[in-house]
Amino acid sequence: AQSVTQLGSHVSVSEGALVLLRCNYSSSVPPYLFWYVQYPNQGLQLLLKYTTGATLVKGINGFEAEFKKSETSFHLTKPSAHMSDAAEYFCAVTDFQGAQKLVFGQGTRLTINP
Amino acid sequence: DTAVSQTPKYLVTQMGNDKSIKCEQNLGHDTMYWYKQDSKKFLKIMFSYNNKELIINETVPNRFSPKSPDKAHLNLHINSLELGDSAVYFCASSLGLAVYNEQFFGPGTRLTVL
Repeated sequence: AQSVTQLGSHVSVSEGALVLLRCNYSSSVPPYLFWYVQYPNQGLQLLLKYTTGATLVKGINGFEAEFKKSETSFHLTKPSAHMSDAAEYFCAVTDFQGAQKLVFGQGTRLTINP
Repeated sequence: DTAVSQTPKYLVTQMGNDKSIKCEQNLGHDTMYWYKQDSKKFLKIMFSYNNKELIINETVPNRFSPKSPDKAHLNLHINSLELGDSAVYFCASSLGLAVYNEQFFGPGTRLTVL
């Protein structure tokens, strides 16, 4: 079965610094990969997704992620962190067994220090 | 102009009670979901419906019964509530069953069982 591992349940960076949130997946077939963001007391919102084609995908709010098949990774980056980026970030992979569904990682809480 | 709305936002109840959570989307989507997010932020799908038809039932106890009166609504009824049911429940919707379609999440319902 497909699974997702997010390294680091909590990441803290300074405002203006690089943001790097790590995601590794396990999938027996070519995966679809997603990053969702959850701001405090809100539902999840799609940041970006990879399905096919270009392995570097750009999302909203200046985030991007690169699909690396050889490393089974889909790390999320942003060159310069902003205070408004503080949130919980979830990586997800598709599970094609039976009815298609998303399998989420355990989330990474991003804190931005002024 | 909320896209996916849930009521109530908070629900505090005693063990053994029966409660319902309502979800409505005004996006014109035909697929709706219920997710459970536990205290460790782990997010797992419970059910999905497409055009009022149950597609995914993810080994959820029979005490949980979803009901979709039409494409825009998906309600969740929970019988004989247990302490372990305490969680945040998210409703989501998407256009079509394809898992690569963006899912739009509601703000969540925080259920506390005492």
